[in-house]
Parts: sequence; structure tokens; C-alpha cells
Amino acid sequence: EAQVTQNPRYLITVTGKKLTVTCSQNMNHEYMSWYRQDPGLGLRQIYYSMNVEVTDKGDVPEGYKVSRKEKRNFPLILESPSPNQTSLYFCASSSNRRPNYGYTFGSGTRLTVV
Amino acid sequence: GNSVTQMEGPVTLSEEAFLTINCTYTATGYPSLFWYVQYPGEGLQLLLKATKADDKGSNKGFEATYRKETTSFHLEKGSVQVSDSAVYFCALSEGYGGSQGNLIFGKGTKLSVKP
Repeated sequence: EAQVTQNPRYLITVTGKKLTVTCSQNMNHEYMSWYRQDPGLGLRQIYYSMNVEVTDKGDVPEGYKVSRKEKRNFPLILESPSPNQTSLYFCASSSNRRPNYGYTFGSGTRLTVV
Repeated sequence: GNSVTQMEGPVTLSEEAFLTINCTYTATGYPSLFWYVQYPGEGLQLLLKATKADDKGSNKGFEATYRKETTSFHLEKGSVQVSDSAVYFCALSEGYGGSQGNLIFGKGTKLSVKP
């Protein structure tokens, strides 16, 4: 089944403890992106990647890192999480060669930083 | 840069009422436009899309027309149901020459439909 898989679905962590949220897609998509969703602020883009080894900042990149060493994976890294990074995170992917196919989203990761 | 602006919510309607959620965009080039829906406790689902000017996207009774002259992509439904209660997001992709490009969202509009 074609899908975007995020892990974990839920995570509670403490301030300053490094964590990684994984995102993997099995559709050979070039484009991948991370968003965070907060009440009243909608979906804000953190980072995106147009292809392997190509990443760029979105609207709210501070406090986050990403890497795109292989096409299928796009992990989101929080080196020193803070409570203001408590949020619902979504990963998405898309194919540049099939533009009318649309974007596929993961099920989300709910992160709480205490 | 490119951006999407949609009407502030929440929007509360009675069942069978007419729905319009306004969405306007700012973009260079020829973006594709989307409406996504998020039901309570769930992720994002594509509702409909349009890839060029004057295209009409439609799904589940919802419609939106890509209006380049007014840079708009308003979502409409003739008769809403309680099951349509959700958050609706307008989005654009910065595609060029057939590629998808980066996906940018509006802030979302929460719709509540009362029986």
C-alpha cells in the first residue's frame, strides 16, 4: 500500500533531550515536507526537500533539523526540544513526475515537551 | 513569497445550509490549488484540486473553481451535513513546468454543522 509512515504517533519528552521523528514513503517521491499544526495558526511549514540532498527552510525552521540522505526517508530532528515545540507534526510527500497525483500525508505525530 | 489567505473561522451552519469558504492566493507562475479536509482527530485528506485556470475541482458535493483573474479558489457546497464538520485548508503548490513544487497552506477554517 502506498503510504507515508511517521513514527512515533505520540511522544512525551523532556526539555533538552534530543529526539527524532521519522518519516518514510514507499512511493519513490522526490518531494517531502514537514509541517506543524497548532490551534489558531493552521499548518506551518518547517522544512521541505525537493530531492535527495536538497533541503530548504520553510516558515518556522528554528529549533529543527532535517536530512535527506535517501529518497524514501526524511527525518525531523529536534536537537534540544523546548515546550514551544509541543505540537502536532505532519509529513507529506509528492512526485514531481506525476503532478496531478497530489500530495500524500502521514497520520501525524503528537509531540509534548515538558 | 507565495501565500494563501482563507476566511477566519469558525463557521457555524445549520444542516442543509449553503457553504462558502473564501480562499485567495498570491503566487508567481501557475500554481496548482487544493482543498484539504481534516476531520476531528484525523490527518489531512485531499478534498479536491485544480491545476490550471478555470478548472473546477469537485468531490463529495464540494466544488471550487480556479479563478486566475481574482486569484481565488473559494470552496462551496449547496447543502451541508453534520458529517461535514471539520477543518478545511486551502493550499497551493508552487509547481512549474509540470512539477509539483512546494506545498503551502492557509490557516484553516473550522466548520461546525448543527442538526
